[in-house]
Amino acid sequence: GESVGLHLPTLSVQEGDNSIINCAYSNSASDYFIWYKQESGKGPQFIIDIRSNMDKRQGQRVTVLLNKTVKHLSLQIAATQPGDSAVYFCAENSGGSNYKLTFGKGTLLTVNP
Amino acid sequence: KAGVTQTPRYLIKTRGQQVTLSCSPISGHRSVSWYQQTPGQGLQFLFEYFSETQRNKGNFPGRFSGRQFSNSRSEMNVSTLELGDSALYLCASSLGPQGPLYNEQFFGPGTRLTVL
Repeated sequence: GESVGLHLPTLSVQEGDNSIINCAYSNSASDYFIWYKQESGKGPQFIIDIRSNMDKRQGQRVTVLLNKTVKHLSLQIAATQPGDSAVYFCAENSGGSNYKLTFGKGTLLTVNP
Repeated sequence: KAGVTQTPRYLIKTRGQQVTLSCSPISGHRSVSWYQQTPGQGLQFLFEYFSETQRNKGNFPGRFSGRQFSNSRSEMNVSTLELGDSALYLCASSLGPQGPLYNEQFFGPGTRLTVL
């Protein structure tokens, strides 16, 4: 299986600040990307997705940016709140209709009040 | 609308035993995916089912198997359990024929399996 490592990157921000979580994806053939949020003791929750024919997509307080040249994905959270504290995962489909998502290692976001 | 449910929530088994985990997708969802989550390997894809057909399988040994029933409920089975199988097993469902691709995927709370 894909290796994602033992140590989770962490990001600590103050309440009200904007947060940016980054993800480097591996497969240049990937054409669908998703961000998930996982709170302690719960399953991942869909936040926002983007297809490769777009560079940017906005949701409620969240924006996903896709840079296909350098295979980089980012999630921006505006006015971060304590309830945003969680582990955030990016996922990609690795191209083709293989009905499979490959997840990144995750980033732990901690919001300080 | 009820979310994805998984049973049991917690399970303790010993090495060599087998285990069956169950997943009930959101009503109307026909795609079910299974993932294994561990601190060391993160979230790893196990398999995906749509209309009782397995469409993809991850890089796991043959001890890991699954199936989907006509009502879209799914089960996964792990035989001859090893210590390394201790993990959170997550099930997710999606509405359309593309499964987790281009469709929002909804996860259940997971089954925490501990192998002693």
